[in-house]
Amino acid sequence: KQEVTQIPAALSVPEGENLVLNCSFTDSAIYNLQWFRQDPGKGLTSLLLIQSSQREQTSGRLNASLDKSSGRSTLYIAASQPGDSATYLCAPQSGNTPLVFGKGTRLSVIA
Amino acid sequence: GAVVSQHPSWVICKSGTSVKIECRSLDFQATTMFWYRQFPKQSLMLMATSNEGSKATYEQGVEKDKFLINHASLTLSTLTVTSAHPEDSSFYICSARGGLAGLAYNEQFFGPGTRLTVL
Repeated sequence: KQEVTQIPAALSVPEGENLVLNCSFTDSAIYNLQWFRQDPGKGLTSLLLIQSSQREQTSGRLNASLDKSSGRSTLYIAASQPGDSATYLCAPQSGNTPLVFGKGTRLSVIA
Repeated sequence: GAVVSQHPSWVICKSGTSVKIECRSLDFQATTMFWYRQFPKQSLMLMATSNEGSKATYEQGVEKDKFLINHASLTLSTLTVTSAHPEDSSFYICSARGGLAGLAYNEQFFGPGTRLTVL
């Protein structure tokens, strides 16, 4: 059964810093991996999806990398802004099984 | 992109009543829908998976008689919380995935969630 761990659990940084969020998963036989953000009391917003054949994906200030063989993914956020404050979730997908989530990293960017 | 809606966005009910939550895929056919539950400061926990026209598959520990799931069409799934109690208060999120090549193929899209509060 897939298990997902995200480190750190919480992170507080001043505005402008570059930061890295880490995700590890136990079953490396994945089809793809998604990163989401969740604002308090809200649903999920998909940020990036990396196919298993890809090593990274970029969207604006976000860059996600995937090392499938070692069961790791990182989300890099450049020049962080207060509006980036949210919980970030990674979710690997194995075949037709549903997405499995970690507990997320709660990010706070202080102006 | 693919859009999933949920209704209602929030609901407050008395203990013992039943509540129905609707999940719709607006611009694609969702052959599979998933229902997740999230307690405060916890991660999303999968409750059940449903395929159109067949019975839902429930995760261990989820009572199928309490959480009734109907996936009657390729664009609609409903979750009914029967005889709700305060411990059922949670954030319920649905997700839909298309099984056909094209939009939403094999990618899960999420609804905005429904906040249920049982008094």
